[in-house]
Amino acid sequence: EAGVVQSPRYKIIEKKQPVAFWCNPISGHNTLYWYRQNLGQGPELLIRYENEEAVDDSQLPKDRFSAERLKGVDSTLKIQPAELGDSAVYLCASSFPRDRVSDTQYFGPGTRLTVL
Amino acid sequence: AQSVAQPEDQVNVAEGNPLTVKCTYSVSGNPYLFWYVQYPNRGLQFLLKYITGDNLVKGSYGFEAEFNKSQTSFHLKKPSALVSDSALYFCAVRDMRDSGYSTLTFGKGTMLLVSP
Repeated sequence: EAGVVQSPRYKIIEKKQPVAFWCNPISGHNTLYWYRQNLGQGPELLIRYENEEAVDDSQLPKDRFSAERLKGVDSTLKIQPAELGDSAVYLCASSFPRDRVSDTQYFGPGTRLTVL
Repeated sequence: AQSVAQPEDQVNVAEGNPLTVKCTYSVSGNPYLFWYVQYPNRGLQFLLKYITGDNLVKGSYGFEAEFNKSQTSFHLKKPSALVSDSALYFCAVRDMRDSGYSTLTFGKGTMLLVSP
């Protein structure tokens, strides 16, 4: 079974430039999460999707971050414009919940973003 | 909000010796607890979880964790460490959000270094 796929693996951009990350979850997983992991920290949730609906985006900085999951499968996270403080690893995870309190999440390899 | 604490930034152990990576939790209600491992330049891999039942939970790669309600701890253990176990370990707790959906709240991580 293929795991969660993310691309690109690495991205280096100048500040104020836009950047996008792509994620394809495990087949059949209805729930998709985007996390940000700062250096030396654990991941922190940015947004959670149930199928194509964003059910929890309270931690997403909406002035510059946006996300979509149009067909309820793969997802894109965008930053425009990027700031120096956005340098981090962006992780995508998916799970197959049996109810709202889904537990085991499976993570992709992440995209390491460096903003210069 | 729920939280976990990992009191050690780094744990050093010799190959063949038992290892323990510590985690304490703070939750209201019954805790759902997880351990994940992160190898360099890779995403988080699920090791094990405690939902209910036996206090000793067995997981992947020979790891186990002991749930202790009175000490609010969920320490990760392995009887005999391998050099290949060297990685970053995260403890996490299920956290119910205002949205009514859950996510995982992670600790800061503990680096495990196993020497030959």
